[in-house]
Amino acid sequence: DAGVIQSPRHEVTEMGQEVTLRCKPISGHNSLFWYRQTMMRGLELLIYFNNNVPIDDSGMPEDRFSAKMPNASFSTLKIQPSEPRDSAVYFCASSSAGPYTDTQYFGPGTRLTVL
Amino acid sequence: QQQVKQSPQSLIVQKGGISIINCAYENTAFDYFPWYQQFPGKGPALLIAIRPDVSEKKEGRFTISFNKSAKQFSLHIMDSQPGDSATYFCAASIDNHSGYALNFGKGTSLLVTP
Repeated sequence: DAGVIQSPRHEVTEMGQEVTLRCKPISGHNSLFWYRQTMMRGLELLIYFNNNVPIDDSGMPEDRFSAKMPNASFSTLKIQPSEPRDSAVYFCASSSAGPYTDTQYFGPGTRLTVL
Repeated sequence: QQQVKQSPQSLIVQKGGISIINCAYENTAFDYFPWYQQFPGKGPALLIAIRPDVSEKKEGRFTISFNKSAKQFSLHIMDSQPGDSATYFCAASIDNHSGYALNFGKGTSLLVTP
């Protein structure tokens, strides 16, 4: 079974450029989560969707960040314009929301470097 | 603000020893407490989880101890092995019937020496 798929795995860009990270959740899962991981702040939840609807975006750092989930099998996280402090590993995770089905399955992450 | 506080930040244990990682939380509405394990270059993966209706859960060498009154929970790794060397994250969440948004601790880097 394919797990959560993220692309690209690595992204190097220059400050001011637009960055788009992509995620394909596990088929049948109805919740999708975007996290950011840094040494200083650990794993931070940015936004999560349930049935393609954003439920909580309070973790999105600022207006430069946006996320969409146009259908059940695809989500994007966009940073425009990017800044060096956005450098981090970005994880996408998916789960089947419901009683006793709490496991979030993480993708391999996208390592973003903004120069 | 960090809703789940985790300690220690790093831990070195000899092979065969017991590794203990502690977490504390403030929000009494949390009702799900998982531990995730992360190897370098990989995403976190669920290791073991507990709900507040029990005080302990054991799966193989891994045990979660939960103290509801103290708002603390811990992970014990018995007979620690070099293959257990990884970063461990505790987390907590509330079942809001629209998915489970996990609040993670900052992680503990565990090194098990041969």
